Amino acid sequence: EAGVAQSPRYKIIEKRQSVAFWCNPISGHATLYWYQQILGQGPKLLIQFQNNGVVDDSQLPKDRFSAERLKGVDSTLKIQPAKLEDSAVYLCASSSLSRAFFGQGTRLTVV
Amino acid sequence: GDSVTQMEGPVTLSEEAFLTINCTYTATGYPSLFWYVQYPGEGLQLLLKATKADDKGSNKGFEATYRKETTSFHLEKGSVQVSDSAVYFCALSSNQAGTALIFGKGTTLSVSS
Repeated sequence: EAGVAQSPRYKIIEKRQSVAFWCNPISGHATLYWYQQILGQGPKLLIQFQNNGVVDDSQLPKDRFSAERLKGVDSTLKIQPAKLEDSAVYLCASSSLSRAFFGQGTRLTVV
Repeated sequence: GDSVTQMEGPVTLSEEAFLTINCTYTATGYPSLFWYVQYPGEGLQLLLKATKADDKGSNKGFEATYRKETTSFHLEKGSVQVSDSAVYFCALSSNQAGTALIFGKGTTLSVSS
């Protein structure tokens, strides 16, 4: 089966610019997650969707980050404006009943 | 809140050596425990999991036992191969479905021939 697709794979932007990441989960997976993985750390959950509703966004910096999952399938994560500390790999994952599958991530560098 | 602590890396071993990567957790209730692996240039993959105390997860020669009394889930392999070189993450989930993971910082394993 096809895995979780993410794009772009790499992105370099200047601070204060905006950026968007896209995720296409595995077909039929109702739950979708965005994680942030800073270099040398483990992934940290940013937001969890169940279909097109938000289950948990307690760790999402809402002053600059936003995410949506229209129609309960694809999702986008946006950062506006970006800060240097946002440099990280952004991972998307989707899950069936008991297992999460991860995409390869988008590596964001903010300069 | 819930958290995972795993041993600092990098861990450097020769082929066929014994591997242990320590992982301890703090959680309320009875979490599920996981080991994920990230090979160079690839995404995170589930290596093994355990959902209740005394369960042993195993896969590809790796094993880990859910020890509630010591709140630990140490990863072991009897004989590592060069192909095992990767970053290993211990994680927990307080959700019965095994999602919404909380990860440790990761341990880099490098195996030389």
